[in-house]
Amino acid sequence: EVQLLESGGDLVQPGGSLRLSCAASGFTFNSHAMAWVRQAPGKGLEWVSIISGSGDGSFNADSVEGRFTISRDNSKNTLFLQMSNLRVDDTAVYYCARDPHSTIAATLIFDYWGQGTLVTVSS
Amino acid sequence: QLVLTQSPSASASLGASVRLTCTLSSDHSGYVVAWHQQQPQKGPRYLMKLNADGSHTKGDGIPDRFSGSSAKAERYLTISSLQSEDEADYYCQTWGSGFVVFGGGTRLTVV
Repeated sequence: EVQLLESGGDLVQPGGSLRLSCAASGFTFNSHAMAWVRQAPGKGLEWVSIISGSGDGSFNADSVEGRFTISRDNSKNTLFLQMSNLRVDDTAVYYCARDPHSTIAATLIFDYWGQGTLVTVSS
Repeated sequence: QLVLTQSPSASASLGASVRLTCTLSSDHSGYVVAWHQQQPQKGPRYLMKLNADGSHTKGDGIPDRFSGSSAKAERYLTISSLQSEDEADYYCQTWGSGFVVFGGGTRLTVV
C-alpha cells in the first residue's frame, strides 16, 4: 500500500525558515518523481515544486522560486521541502504527492497524495 | 497562458448523476487533464487521467461510477448513482513544460 506521511509543519514568523519531510512507503521510491502541492485556508490546490526520481531535475512555481528548495534522499525514501524567507501568504497545508513516472520531462500528474502538514506564517 | 476553468459549485440528488466540467484555455484544447477528489478535511485523491479523445485511466480503487469524457476544450467528470461520500471538492489538473496547473475546483453538494 502506497503511503505518504508529511511532517515538519509549524508556526513560524515571517522571514523564517522551515523544512518539511515526506516519508514514503509501499513503492520503489526512486522510480517516481515527487511533488509538493499546497492549499491555503479555504482555497484551492496550488502546485509548489516537483523533483525527478533520481533527484537530478526539479521545477518550482514562480511564487516560491528562489525561496523554496525541493530535494530527496532515495536511501531513506524521504522527500524534503526547504522553505526560507517565508511570507504570510505561504500559510497553507502542504501535501506530498507521487507522480507515476520517474522523469519530469513528460507528464506531470499525481496519482497518490499524503494527508498534509500545516505551515502557519504569522508574527 | 494555460488555464483550467471550473464552476465553483454544483449540486445533485442522492442516487442521481452529475457531470462536472473543466475547460481548457484557448490553444490548449488537446491537453490531457487529471481529476482529483478532496473530501472534507482530507488530502486529495486521484480519480483519473483523461485524454482529449475521451479515453481515461482511473486510479486504484476508483469505482465504476466515476467516468470521464472530452469534447474539444472541455473535460468532463461524470459521477453516477451519487452517494453521500461523493460530496467533495473536485479539481482538474494539467501541466506544461516545467509547471503544473490546477483548476479552481468545484464543490459538489449531494442533496
